[in-house]
Amino acid sequence: GIQVEQSPPDLILQEGANSTLRCNFSDSVNNLQWFHQNPWGQLINLFYIPSGTKQNGRLSATTVATERYSLLYISSSQTTDSGVYFCAVEGSYIPTFGRGTSLIVHP
Amino acid sequence: EAGVTQFPSHSVIEKGQTVTLRCDPISGHDNLYWYRRVMGKEIKFLLHFVKESKQDESGMPNNRFLAERTGGTYSTLKVQPAELEDSGVYFCASSQFGDNSPLHFGNGTRLTVT
Repeated sequence: GIQVEQSPPDLILQEGANSTLRCNFSDSVNNLQWFHQNPWGQLINLFYIPSGTKQNGRLSATTVATERYSLLYISSSQTTDSGVYFCAVEGSYIPTFGRGTSLIVHP
Repeated sequence: EAGVTQFPSHSVIEKGQTVTLRCDPISGHDNLYWYRRVMGKEIKFLLHFVKESKQDESGMPNNRFLAERTGGTYSTLKVQPAELEDSGVYFCASSQFGDNSPLHFGNGTRLTVT
């Protein structure tokens, strides 16, 4: 099946800092989504972005499908951004998750 | 539009008991997936329904797990008998059939086996 790698695995930031999370995938995909798992365990859909760039407030995402990667940008981070960020990709296979990036934002 | 709902939100059972998790997908979504996250590790695929048919159950860990989707609507995931390693968060997701259809996740069921 498709391989999904996320980096970095862990990230610690001070409030107000910016960060970039990366998702690499091993095959062409039809769908790509970024999720945030909050401290309560809920999976919150951030972006549905099989290609191109999208922005939602302090968050933005870019997927370069031809080069098989996606980036999630978090600007002016807040403590509420803490949690685990997952990307999930779907090509000819069932949607597959990366291992996630665990983000801690300190006040 | 109502989202994907899962019940119960939490379940604590003893080893050897049976637990049944339920998922109600978004109305009209033919695809239904079950996933599991164990002890803070990665989110692992369990199985995939299209309507009432199991399309892929390659992720089901063993025959103690049984999933059904009656009439292509809601789905249940039964664990019988439960073991300690079954503890984790079980997520259900649904999507419309076809490409370019995002996954919508429920809030998950946190299962603790003691």
